[in-house]
Amino acid sequence: GAVVSQHPSWVICKSGTSVKIECRSLDFQATTMFWYRQFPKQSLMLMATSNEGSKATYEQGVEKDKFLINHASLTLSTLTVTSAHPEDSSFYICSASTGYPPEAFFGQGTRLTVV
Amino acid sequence: AQTVTQSQPEMSVQEAETVTLSCTYDTSESDYYLFWYKQPPSRQMILVIRQEAYKQQNATENRFSVNFQKAAKSFSLKISDSQLGDAAMYFCAYRSQGAQKLVFGQGTRLTINP
Repeated sequence: GAVVSQHPSWVICKSGTSVKIECRSLDFQATTMFWYRQFPKQSLMLMATSNEGSKATYEQGVEKDKFLINHASLTLSTLTVTSAHPEDSSFYICSASTGYPPEAFFGQGTRLTVV
Repeated sequence: AQTVTQSQPEMSVQEAETVTLSCTYDTSESDYYLFWYKQPPSRQMILVIRQEAYKQQNATENRFSVNFQKAAKSFSLKISDSQLGDAAMYFCAYRSQGAQKLVFGQGTRLTINP
């Protein structure tokens, strides 16, 4: 099956700093990538949709200036959490998809802790 | 907008027995896809099974099968011969045929009792 690699798996950063999370599709070209945030014992909350070569589409309530998304190639999307605060601590998951097969393929997730 | 509802926050089953997880959805579309994803303690999302709405036959993957009732907008997952490794959060998800975004349900936490 298709493989999506997300890096890092976990990261600790200080308040006020920025942290970048990478999402790579290893064996296919992903026309679209998605970024989710997941709180403990809850479902995945879609943050933004990323299409290669164009600006990301953010869901309502997600601060685009805080969560910068770049989709520079068909195999790489990045999420940068800028000026991180403790409330940004969470589990972030990326997924990638093509038109078909219709399922999305998920990265391993990144646990971000802001201290 | 489409919505997906999983009304069972938690379920438990004895090892080797059968369990059914419920999912209902709301849509005005006729062509779409439905999925069950599993999220074990590692938190890696794993596709369990997929159903295309245009197919009347219920999808089956080994011990996993679905009961897809299009008119009722119901999509339940049956796990037969439950194994300890089946313990996880299970998410039902919907995708429009013309879009790639997934709409997730709230999830059901499945516990397997040895």
